[in-house]
Amino acid sequence: QQQVKQSPQSLIVQKGGISIINCAYENTAFDYFPWYQQFPGKGPALLIAIRPDVSEKKEGRFTISFNKSAKQFSLHIMDSQPGDSATYFCAANGGYSTLTFGKGTMLLVSP
Amino acid sequence: GAGVSQSPRYKVAKRGQDVALRCDPISGHVSLFWYQQALGQGPEFLTYFQNEAQLDKSGLPSDRFFAERPEGSVSTLKIQRTQQEDSAVYLCASSSDRAGELFFGEGSRLTVL
Repeated sequence: QQQVKQSPQSLIVQKGGISIINCAYENTAFDYFPWYQQFPGKGPALLIAIRPDVSEKKEGRFTISFNKSAKQFSLHIMDSQPGDSATYFCAANGGYSTLTFGKGTMLLVSP
Repeated sequence: GAGVSQSPRYKVAKRGQDVALRCDPISGHVSLFWYQQALGQGPEFLTYFQNEAQLDKSGLPSDRFFAERPEGSVSTLKIQRTQQEDSAVYLCASSSDRAGELFFGEGSRLTVL
């Protein structure tokens, strides 16, 4: 059972554009929703996270939008840069569950 | 050290060999996690330790997989009688608590021939 579904699988965005990655979850006990960024040959690193008491969180060019009723959340990268090219994973946990990851989105920002 | 350290970074094993992968977490982190990441996939949970206690091993795919953290610091993931389907990157992460931010190591890439 895939508890966190992520789309798209890959994404190409021009420099300066907006990158949008979406995730949906099933477990209503989830109460922590982070996004991780992974470069080739490296481990995932936390980018930004949100809890369901707010609908949006912004840190620099990165914004999480959260829709509790739809059980969906998304990552928006504004003014995308070539250095943002990486694989992005949404994740979720809560209750007694450990962090569950989506399958990832490979983002390529073209110069 | 400043981050989570894993060794070896790369391991090639013949089918049927036993392997041991080591994780040195961030000092003071009580929570330690092992994840398996297949090529092009997201990390899949294997097991979780709080200090030396293994509180969750529900993700271990078979009884060939065994993990320990005897003194509540360094952890070892052991895979016995390796199979080709065990080929993956094994990621270790530590955290100050179970629900907090996970800090990942760079992983150990296992290739089983």
